[in-house]
Amino acid sequence: AQKITQTQPGMFVQEKEAVTLDCTYDTSDPSYGLFWYKQPSSGEMIFLIYQGSYDQQNATEGRYSLNFQKARKSANLVISASQLGDSAMYFCAMREGADDKIIFGKGTRLHILP
Amino acid sequence: DSGVTQTPKHLITATGQRVTLRCSPRSGDLSVYWYQQSLDQGLQFLIQYYNGEERAKGNILERFSAQQFPDLHSELNLSSLELGDSALYFCASSVKGTWEDTEAFFGQGTRLTVV
Repeated sequence: AQKITQTQPGMFVQEKEAVTLDCTYDTSDPSYGLFWYKQPSSGEMIFLIYQGSYDQQNATEGRYSLNFQKARKSANLVISASQLGDSAMYFCAMREGADDKIIFGKGTRLHILP
Repeated sequence: DSGVTQTPKHLITATGQRVTLRCSPRSGDLSVYWYQQSLDQGLQFLIQYYNGEERAKGNILERFSAQQFPDLHSELNLSSLELGDSALYFCASSVKGTWEDTEAFFGQGTRLTVV
């Protein structure tokens, strides 16, 4: 079974609009962390934002926020005021308490249109 | 710059050959993770080392092996290479290697092409 599911293989968004990238996860461990990474065409993996399972508030980092809905096991990334430089592949990932490895979803390719 | 250094950046080799990929983690990070990213499989976790010892193992083939040295750098050895091993290989590091870490820092990757 997939631990991390990203249902949007690709998205096209107009510049300056907000965009939501979907991520659902599956774990029975009460302790876990959720991550979002950006991979531009150059290939490097860039950390964007982190949400811990015990965090009471949704994580925010500049234009990035994580819409964490624990009961629904959902951790969507919201990018406000999108920019052309946001065009990239975006990966949702999870680390569980009992297992140190980080598991990645298959990614969403985001295209920002001028 | 994440502080994680991977060498070489690009590698082209023939089927049946053996290669070694190197990773230097961020200063102070004890944990090193190896991932393989191919077009059809996405990012696959291979193996994790913590302070010199293997901590977790993922979908790593028997032809592949890794180790972490006393200075904490790590090497991923790929042998009897096949065309399907062509991929981007990432190394990541974190301080503890537990869920308490808020992020893992990735290197730039090594692009391996097997011809």
